[in-house]
Amino acid sequence: NAGVMQNPRHLVRRRGQEARLRCSPVKGHSHVYWYRQLPEEGLKFMVYLQKENIIDESGMPKERFSAEFPKEGPSILRIQQVVRGDSAAYFCASSPLPSSGNTIYFGEGSWLTVV
Amino acid sequence: AQSVTQLDSHVSVSEGTPVLLRCNYSSSYSPSLFWYVQHPNKGLQLLLKYTSAATLVKGINGFEAEFKKSETSFHLTKPSAHMSDAAEYFCVVSGPPTADTDKLIFGTGTRLQVFP
Repeated sequence: NAGVMQNPRHLVRRRGQEARLRCSPVKGHSHVYWYRQLPEEGLKFMVYLQKENIIDESGMPKERFSAEFPKEGPSILRIQQVVRGDSAAYFCASSPLPSSGNTIYFGEGSWLTVV
Repeated sequence: AQSVTQLDSHVSVSEGTPVLLRCNYSSSYSPSLFWYVQHPNKGLQLLLKYTSAATLVKGINGFEAEFKKSETSFHLTKPSAHMSDAAEYFCVVSGPPTADTDKLIFGTGTRLQVFP
């Protein structure tokens, strides 16, 4: 991994609470992707953002989930009113430009547990 | 639509024996294909990628994969397994080639166990 930082690494929330996951991309990267990995499954694309813009959110659940990538600061994935089914690992990746995967760098993930 | 199917959810080998992790893909365009490895509670590391150049792709840690268009396969191999190879392996295909997005589509993963 070339410097994508995610925090927190582990987060426990009670049902109904909010979860905020942060992702600082590799320095100089302006493209951020969020993926979700449910238990025993592969990663599923959620959202693709450039600075201050959501480019593709076709993988985001329609309710309770939102993402942003402000001009300054990390990208945030926000889950409101969490439910048990939101328990998963959330991975952030960054690239300097759309890159067909070869220069996408993944973070180590944030594991959300909803109790 | 693009998809990948990893044919084995678990593979067990003895240390020093060959590894074969199978992957079939479906794509309506010329795909880019990748193999990623994930060690427990860790992020993803790119092992190798195919982007329409040589069909036999060599990656890190002695892994390689062969793109076979006629069989729509991209199987991952290694001649001799090492204990440190024990991990989850994901076969990945690139999303539609557009200017603005670069989605990756992951298979469900193959867990490789290596026994001494």
